[in-house]
Amino acid sequence: DAGITQSPRHKVTETGTPVTLRCHQTENHRYMYWYRQDPGHGLRLIHYSYGVKDTDKGEVSDGYSVSRSKTEDFLLTLESATSSQTSVYFCAISEGRNSKSEQFFGPGTRLTVL
Amino acid sequence: QQQVKQSPQSLIVQKGGISIINCAYENTAFDYFPWYQQFPGKGPALLIAIRPDVSEKKEGRFTISFNKSAKQFSLHIMDSQPGDSATYFCAASNTGTASKLTFGTGTRLQVTL
Repeated sequence: DAGITQSPRHKVTETGTPVTLRCHQTENHRYMYWYRQDPGHGLRLIHYSYGVKDTDKGEVSDGYSVSRSKTEDFLLTLESATSSQTSVYFCAISEGRNSKSEQFFGPGTRLTVL
Repeated sequence: QQQVKQSPQSLIVQKGGISIINCAYENTAFDYFPWYQQFPGKGPALLIAIRPDVSEKKEGRFTISFNKSAKQFSLHIMDSQPGDSATYFCAASNTGTASKLTFGTGTRLQVTL
């Protein structure tokens, strides 16, 4: 998985609790992304980062926040989890330049909100 | 708004047959069109990608056909094998905007013996 790890790999939590998912890369890529995958929707971009402390919203950012204090780590936080946030979350990385736009995906985190 | 539409949702092909998955996009600013393959419990992995300056790209048994005027592109898997059974996603991005990918909804391919 191109030097990308996600933790935890599985999590069950209750509605209203905060949850933080971690993505760690060893490739020193500039861009990092968080997607969620749901049946019938494919993968949808939540937030992305184009450098340390530089982040921006994606297509489905409501209810999520992110932080990137180091090149290698990108955190996704659900401030108050809801059942609609039950999903599989994937982190991806990219060098981001035109000739190297490929995104490499991590193994995913399966989150269940009861 | 679904900017990349993918069909069919599922596909069953016999071993040795040709699998064809189609995608259509709306945003003319897209300039990079990858296909990802995903096995159960795994993250998506890049299979093949094309840029709009060519109409076809082939890598082994996998071919992308691209029609810029129709804003459509498709994946052809020749001599389909049971090991090709997976979910396939088309995607598109404008590489000038942080290479954010917009994905299709996926096609579950099953290759039978």
